[in-house]
Amino acid sequence: RKEVEQDPGPFNVPEGATVAFNCTYSNSASQSFFWYRQDCRKEPKLLMSVYSSGNEDGRFTAQLNRASQYISLLIRDSKLSDSATYLCVVTHTGGFKTIFGAGTRLFVKA
Amino acid sequence: DTGVSQNPRHKITKRGQNVTFRCDPISEHNRLYWYRQTLGQGPEFLTYFQNEAQLEKSRLLSDRFSAERPKGSFSTLEIQRTEQGDSAMYLCASSLAGRFVGYGYTFGSGTRLTVV
Repeated sequence: RKEVEQDPGPFNVPEGATVAFNCTYSNSASQSFFWYRQDCRKEPKLLMSVYSSGNEDGRFTAQLNRASQYISLLIRDSKLSDSATYLCVVTHTGGFKTIFGAGTRLFVKA
Repeated sequence: DTGVSQNPRHKITKRGQNVTFRCDPISEHNRLYWYRQTLGQGPEFLTYFQNEAQLEKSRLLSDRFSAERPKGSFSTLEIQRTEQGDSAMYLCASSLAGRFVGYGYTFGSGTRLTVV
């Protein structure tokens, strides 16, 4: 079993839809959590950090449930430009052991 | 440009040859990481440096792989006697060190290696 697991996707949604991605992690020593976005044949870019209290950045909302070892990303009012792969990322104590999920592909269609 | 810079962007090499990649991190970042990414997978951790010290190496980093960061600034990743299975995108990232908090990474554009 992989340490970080994500919905396999792909998700195909129309513009304006709300879509949610899930991610589970197995190591309870995990300290920090992030969502990254990766466009085709490009490097991953930090989308947002994830906190236990939940956090929101415009149309994006991230949630962390430490008890269930579960992270989510909600995208509201999807845009064509949201089409990408979304990577769930977990960092262990000290911040240097970082594990990436395999990613979930999102396609937003007009 | 103050981002993470990687060179070369693309490298095609024959099996058995040695290759070396370079990464220049963001100047104020003291941590530097190397990852490998194959198609359909997320980046896999290879190794990381805090300043010039290599503090962790993945089991993925076989004896054919070596990484250095001699002055705590740029880093090189060398692969000796390349194999077709080494074909991948090699990503470098840098970050600030946080004692209790993991800071997000800034990635370079990567070096795409093709072994023929």
